[in-house]
Amino acid sequence: EAQVTQNPRYLITVTGKKLTVTCSQNMNHEYMSWYRQDPGLGLRQIYYSMNVEVTDKGDVPEGYKVSRKEKRNFPLILESPSPNQTSLYFCASSPQGAATNEKLFFGSGTQLSVL
Amino acid sequence: AQSVTQLDSQVPVFEEAPVELRCNYSSSVSVYLFWYVQYPNQGLQLLLKYLSGSTLVKGINGFEAEFNKSQTSFHLRKPSVHISDTAEYFCAVRGGYSSASKIIFGSGTRLSIRP
Repeated sequence: EAQVTQNPRYLITVTGKKLTVTCSQNMNHEYMSWYRQDPGLGLRQIYYSMNVEVTDKGDVPEGYKVSRKEKRNFPLILESPSPNQTSLYFCASSPQGAATNEKLFFGSGTQLSVL
Repeated sequence: AQSVTQLDSQVPVFEEAPVELRCNYSSSVSVYLFWYVQYPNQGLQLLLKYLSGSTLVKGINGFEAEFNKSQTSFHLRKPSVHISDTAEYFCAVRGGYSSASKIIFGSGTRLSIRP
C-alpha cells in the first residue's frame, strides 16, 4: 500500500532533549516536506527536499534540522526542543516538486508536546 | 507572493443541509488551487484541485468547487452533507509554474455536522 509513515504518533519530551521524528515513503517520490499545524494558523512549511541531498528552508525553519540521505526517508530533528515547538507535525511527499500539479500525500501526523 | 484566506474557522450545519466553505486567494500570477480534507486523527487528503479549463471542479464525496478569477475565490460546496463529512478543510494555492513555487495553505475551516 502506498503510504507516508511517520513515527512516533505521539511524543512528550522536556525542553532541551534532542529528538527525531522519522518519515518514510514507499512511492519513490522525489519531493518531501515537513509541516507544522497550529490552531488558527493552518499548515506552515518547516523544510522541504526536492531530491536526495537537496534540502531547503520553508517558512518556519528555526529550531529544526532535516536530512535526505536516501530517497525514501526524511527525518525531522529537534536539537534542543522548546515549548513553542509543541505542535502537530506532518510529513508529506509528491512525485515531483510542489511546483507541479501533483497532489501531496500526507502521513498521519506526530503530536509533539515539549514540557 | 501568494496567500490564501479561509473566512470561517468553524461552520456548523445540520445533516442533509447544503454547505459552502469560503476561500479567497491573492496572487500576481496564474494559480493552481486545491482543497484538502483532514478527518479526525488523520493526515490531509486531496479533495479536489483546479488547474485550468472548466471553472467548476468536482471532487470526491460529492464536493465541488468553483474557481472565480474576478472574485479571486475558490469556494467549496456540497448540496447535502452527512455526518461523515465532519472534518477540517484546507484551501491551498500554488502560484506560477516554476519549480521554486510552493503550496500555501489556509488556516482551515472546521465543519461540524449536527444530526
